[in-house]
Amino acid sequence: AQKVTQAQTEISVVEKEDVTLDCVYETRDTTYYLFWYKQPPSGELVFLIRRNSFDEQNEISGRYSWNFQKSTSSFNFTITASQVVDSAVYFCALSEDSDYKLSFGAGTTVTVRA
Amino acid sequence: EAGVAQSPRYKIIEKRQSVAFWCNPISGHATLYWYQQILGQGPKLLIQFQNNGVVDDSQLPKDRFSAERLKGVDSTLKIQPAKLEDSAVYLCASSLDYATEPNTEAFFGQGTRLTVV
Repeated sequence: AQKVTQAQTEISVVEKEDVTLDCVYETRDTTYYLFWYKQPPSGELVFLIRRNSFDEQNEISGRYSWNFQKSTSSFNFTITASQVVDSAVYFCALSEDSDYKLSFGAGTTVTVRA
Repeated sequence: EAGVAQSPRYKIIEKRQSVAFWCNPISGHATLYWYQQILGQGPKLLIQFQNNGVVDDSQLPKDRFSAERLKGVDSTLKIQPAKLEDSAVYLCASSLDYATEPNTEAFFGQGTRLTVV
């Protein structure tokens, strides 16, 4: 069963627009961790954020913000005032305390046009 | 701090040939991972090492794939013989000690893009 669902395959925006990436997860563990990674064209996955299941506070880091809602099993990611350099594939991932393995979603390709 | 190094970046082989990939993790990282990323999909864990021991290889096709981390630092992943469906990017990642920090973030290399023709 898919543990992490990223329903949006591709999103295309014009520079300075906001873009929100959806992530829905599934787990029976009470303790788990959620991650977002960015994969630019160069190929490496760049770590953006880790959130544990007990911390539902939203987080903002520069133009990035994350909205964690346990009630809907979602961990959405918003890029504010997007820039061309934000163009990449973004992956949401889940790590459960029962096995510690990172399960990735299929990714959302974001294209920011100048 | 140097990141995770992988080589080669690209490899094209014919089916039934063999291929090997190399990974050098971040210094001091006890845990090393190999992931397979098929085009359009998220990475899938193949094998996880803790120092030179295997923690998880449940998704490694052991009839054709093998991996080792003999001295607890560098690692190699081998495919023999390769099939067309092995075409993918093979990503190596490392993290701090999995045993003491089990859900810490992993740092990834740029990957090796394998094309099997």
